[in-house]
Amino acid sequence: AQSVTQLDSHVSVSEGTPVLLRCNYSSSYSPSLFWYVQHPNKGLQLLLKYTSAATLVKGINGFEAEFKKSETSFHLTKPSAHMSDAAEYFCVALDSNYQLIWGAGTKLIIKP
Amino acid sequence: SAVISQKPSRDICQRGTSLTIQCQVDSQVTMMFWYRQQPGQSLTLIATANQGSEATYESGFVIDKFPISRPNLTFSTLTVSNMSPEDSSIYLCSVGGSTEAFFGQGTRLTVV
Repeated sequence: AQSVTQLDSHVSVSEGTPVLLRCNYSSSYSPSLFWYVQHPNKGLQLLLKYTSAATLVKGINGFEAEFKKSETSFHLTKPSAHMSDAAEYFCVALDSNYQLIWGAGTKLIIKP
Repeated sequence: SAVISQKPSRDICQRGTSLTIQCQVDSQVTMMFWYRQQPGQSLTLIATANQGSEATYESGFVIDKFPISRPNLTFSTLTVSNMSPEDSSIYLCSVGGSTEAFFGQGTRLTVV
């Protein structure tokens, strides 16, 4: 069965330092993968998506993610964190029935 | 893309009552999904609603507690029945295609 694992429930970084949010997936094929962000009391927003084109995907707000099939990973990165990046981030896979398989989420904390 | 209008955005309800949440999509879609996000947790799929057939419920969710209607290809409702404080959550509807999912803004339900 397909599954998504976000390796860290919380990540804390200082403003201006790099961000790394880790995600691993398990699937019998190369799925479509997404990162969504949820700010406090706000709706879900798509950050970026991988759909079997370029393995390095650029998203909004300076985020990017690299699909690595050999490692079954889709880690989210940003070179320099901003206070406005503080939010919950979800790694998501799309299964063959068009259902979304959600990771547990990673809460990103930005220290001033 | 798809734009989903979900209402109400929030409500405070008495235990034992029921609340119906509505989702209207600006295009015709075959499948609509209903999720629950309990405080501090990831999204959990409640059911998948196809037009013209009964909804398919995930393990732990039953039709008597969460009846769903899907009268046409652009509209669906989810009812949370006989509510208890444990039902306090964010409820989201979603539609998806092969490369992305779209969400309503969510309904924040508090049961007192």
